[in-house]
Amino acid sequence: EPEVTQTPSHQVTQMGQEVILRCVPISNHLYFYWYRQILGQKVEFLVSFYNNEISEKSEIFDDQFSVERPDGSNFTLKIRSTKLEDSAMYFCASSEELESVGHRSRDTQYFGPGTRLTVL
Amino acid sequence: DAKTTQPPSMDCAEGRAANLPCNHSTISGNEYVYWYRQIHSQGPQYIIHGLKNNETNEMASLIITEDRKSSTLILPHATLRDTAVYYCIVRPPEPGDSNYQLIWGAGTKLIIKP
Repeated sequence: EPEVTQTPSHQVTQMGQEVILRCVPISNHLYFYWYRQILGQKVEFLVSFYNNEISEKSEIFDDQFSVERPDGSNFTLKIRSTKLEDSAMYFCASSEELESVGHRSRDTQYFGPGTRLTVL
Repeated sequence: DAKTTQPPSMDCAEGRAANLPCNHSTISGNEYVYWYRQIHSQGPQYIIHGLKNNETNEMASLIITEDRKSSTLILPHATLRDTAVYYCIVRPPEPGDSNYQLIWGAGTKLIIKP
């Protein structure tokens, strides 16, 4: 069964350093998402991406964050200058596009196993 | 904020049916009810979703009340591996919506006991 994969599983970095988290979405999916979960807290939406551009982003997704689909398979989240409060699990998700009469819609989001980011 | 209300925790005996309730009294007529679960900080796992009719798949059944203000996720024969946090999420309608982000509440921590 196809699944979303993420690398690395755990990333440790020093405050102020740049990190890139990588995701390989399910191959026929066209919508991509990043969420994060600080330890003990709720899952929070960061950003969604479609057709090579951001379609939605939350208040958390400030100028320190960026996303990219550098090739046909990877979807990345970059944090330019990490802060202590960026320590969290980061989850990538993807969804298929459904076409019905007259419109397109997004199907169920499937999540990867996550990357644990620890900022020291 | 999440549009759903769930009990913070529940226990269930192994082998019995686990029934997880969810209230979504402000749901709109074309919003879906989705269920995910998260096993100990792993990635959220999709379980099932529905709009109006009851749904069943290999993992679970979803019962949605006729007024759509509440639903129940049923795991028919719970095993120890079903211990997880279960999230009930109302998904905005499509097409043309600008909020397809999933908004997560605190979920229900389900503990399956031997």
